[in-house]
Amino acid sequence: GAVVSQHPSRVICKSGTSVKIECRSLDFQATTMFWYRQFPKQSLMLMATSNEGSKATYEQGVEKDKFLINHASLTLSTLTVTSAHPEDSSFYICSARDLSRSPLNTEAFFGQGTRLTVV
Amino acid sequence: GEDVEQSLFLSVREGDSSVINCTYTDSSSTYLYWYKQEPGAGLQLLTYIFSNMDMKQDQRLTVLLNKKDKHLSLRIADTQTGDSAIYFCAEIYGGSQGNLIFGKGTKLSVKP
Repeated sequence: GAVVSQHPSRVICKSGTSVKIECRSLDFQATTMFWYRQFPKQSLMLMATSNEGSKATYEQGVEKDKFLINHASLTLSTLTVTSAHPEDSSFYICSARDLSRSPLNTEAFFGQGTRLTVV
Repeated sequence: GEDVEQSLFLSVREGDSSVINCTYTDSSSTYLYWYKQEPGAGLQLLTYIFSNMDMKQDQRLTVLLNKKDKHLSLRIADTQTGDSAIYFCAEIYGGSQGNLIFGKGTKLSVKP
């Protein structure tokens, strides 16, 4: 299957600083990328959907000024957590879809996730 | 809104079969998925089933779909300790271009 690389896998930052998480599709063009947040013992919560070259679409309740998403190329999307607070500590997972494989393709490939700890 | 429900825990003995159940609400879902998440890792697609199928078998995995009851199950035959993980059921919502809606995940514990 296709490979999605997410970096870093773990990051610890001080409260008030910003952290950037990268998500790369290594062997396919990801026309659409998704960013999820996973709380302990809970399912994944979709934060936003980004299409290459356009602004991300944020889910209700997700602050777009705090979670900046950039999808500048077909292989790279970034999530920047700005002015991080301890409550932003979580597991963030990106996902990419390759719609060129089939018009009806719905398979999503996931990165390994980033464990963010804000101290 | 759309919802996917699954039980949170399942414990089995090594060699037994595991059955993880899931119910979903979007009757127009074209695909339904099972993902596996190992500790601290991202999600790995295990298998999926197209909505016009009742069953799909892939080695030790069997997926059963009951569209009438909107019920999906994943059976793992001859469960091994390496199968211990969290299993997420997911449906595609909003058509083929839509988003995945995940259940809360079932933590499978396999005892030797």
